[in-house]
Amino acid sequence: NAGVTQTPKFQVLKTGQSMTLQCAQDMNHNSMYWYRQDPGMGLRLIYYSASEGTTDKGEVPNGYNVSRLNKREFSLRLESAAPSQTSVYFCATLRGLATYEQYFGPGTRLTVT
Amino acid sequence: SQQGEEDPQALSIQEGENATMNCSYKTSINNLQWYRQNSGRGLVHLILIRSNEREKHSGRLRVTLDTSKKSSSLLITASRAADTASYFCATDAGSNYQLIWGAGTKLIIKP
Repeated sequence: NAGVTQTPKFQVLKTGQSMTLQCAQDMNHNSMYWYRQDPGMGLRLIYYSASEGTTDKGEVPNGYNVSRLNKREFSLRLESAAPSQTSVYFCATLRGLATYEQYFGPGTRLTVT
Repeated sequence: SQQGEEDPQALSIQEGENATMNCSYKTSINNLQWYRQNSGRGLVHLILIRSNEREKHSGRLRVTLDTSKKSSSLLITASRAADTASYFCATDAGSNYQLIWGAGTKLIIKP
């Protein structure tokens, strides 16, 4: 029972390159989230998915796309990476419907040069 | 958008001392949660307090909530080196099960 897994752990991209960050959960929860965290900052929501087949924009969606492939997997795609997207990306799932408690993956550290 | 404001932004204390950090929020809530983030890691849920509770304990953690002032505090007693981390508050004021996050307090415990 791994909880929430993210791949890769680290990635370096050149400006303009594309990549997909993968997230999978084995907790059988409907809701999943993608956040970014810049140095010394809190979390900012990029996209979320309330259930399989649905996705919605969060606070900072520009430059990203997402896919909720099935209940387990929620991927985040950068189509044309920019240095401003250098950040640590966290995937999370909703652990408690009544409390909104979230369970986080270990993160992907992305550097765009 | 971030509705939580945490205070202080950084706190450095000696091992064994108590650490207190504060969180303020803007809109009405059903509950408020605290999370810990060790350097380079994902966030881990610590404790939740509901809007009808004033104080809650979990081990060395004590959380208080004052809904009239829209503020909460997290007290860590008898701090240890392993408590060195960033601490974030989050409220359930968002829609669609979204949490609204504070910017965090960075706690350093000196041996």
